[in-house]
Amino acid sequence: DAGVIQSPRHEVTEMGQEVTLRCKPISGHDYLFWYRQTMMRGLELLIYFNNNVPIDDSGMPEDRFSAKMPNASFSTLKIQPSEPRDSAVYFCASRIWGQPQHFGDGTRLSIL
Amino acid sequence: DQQVKQNSPSLSVQEGRISILNCDYTNSMFDYFLWYKKYPAEGPTFLISISSIKDKNEDGRFTVFLNKSAKHLSLHIVPSQPGDSAVYFCAASQDSNYQLIWGAGTKLIIKP
Repeated sequence: DAGVIQSPRHEVTEMGQEVTLRCKPISGHDYLFWYRQTMMRGLELLIYFNNNVPIDDSGMPEDRFSAKMPNASFSTLKIQPSEPRDSAVYFCASRIWGQPQHFGDGTRLSIL
Repeated sequence: DQQVKQNSPSLSVQEGRISILNCDYTNSMFDYFLWYKKYPAEGPTFLISISSIKDKNEDGRFTVFLNKSAKHLSLHIVPSQPGDSAVYFCAASQDSNYQLIWGAGTKLIIKP
């Protein structure tokens, strides 16, 4: 079975540029989560979707961050404009009702 | 306000001995707890879970113990193997379908 697939694995870009992170959840999973991991704050939930609908975006740090899930097999997390403090590892996870979350291998983002 | 705490950033254990990782929580509404394991450059992977109706759950070399009165859970790994070297995260939620609150992680090093 294919797991959660994230792209790109690494992204290095300059401050002010738009960044788009992509996620393909496991087929049949109806929940999708975006997390950010930093040394200072650990693993933080940014937003999660149920059946493609955003349920809780209270973890999204600012208006510069936005997430979409246009269909059950694809989600994006965008940062525009990006800032150096956005540098982190971003994880996507998916799950089905009553089961644990399955994580992708993350995108390591560096904003110069 | 850290609702889930893993107070040991790292732990070193001899191969073949028991590894004990600890986790404390403050929210008495939590009744579902999970342990995830994370290797470098990979996403966290689910290891074992326990609900508050139990005080122990076992899966092979891994056992999780829950002490609800003390708001404490622990993960025991017996015997420890070199492949167990990883970061272990404790997570908690109000039930299996709520969002997870994560601890900061404990880095386990198994010495040969």
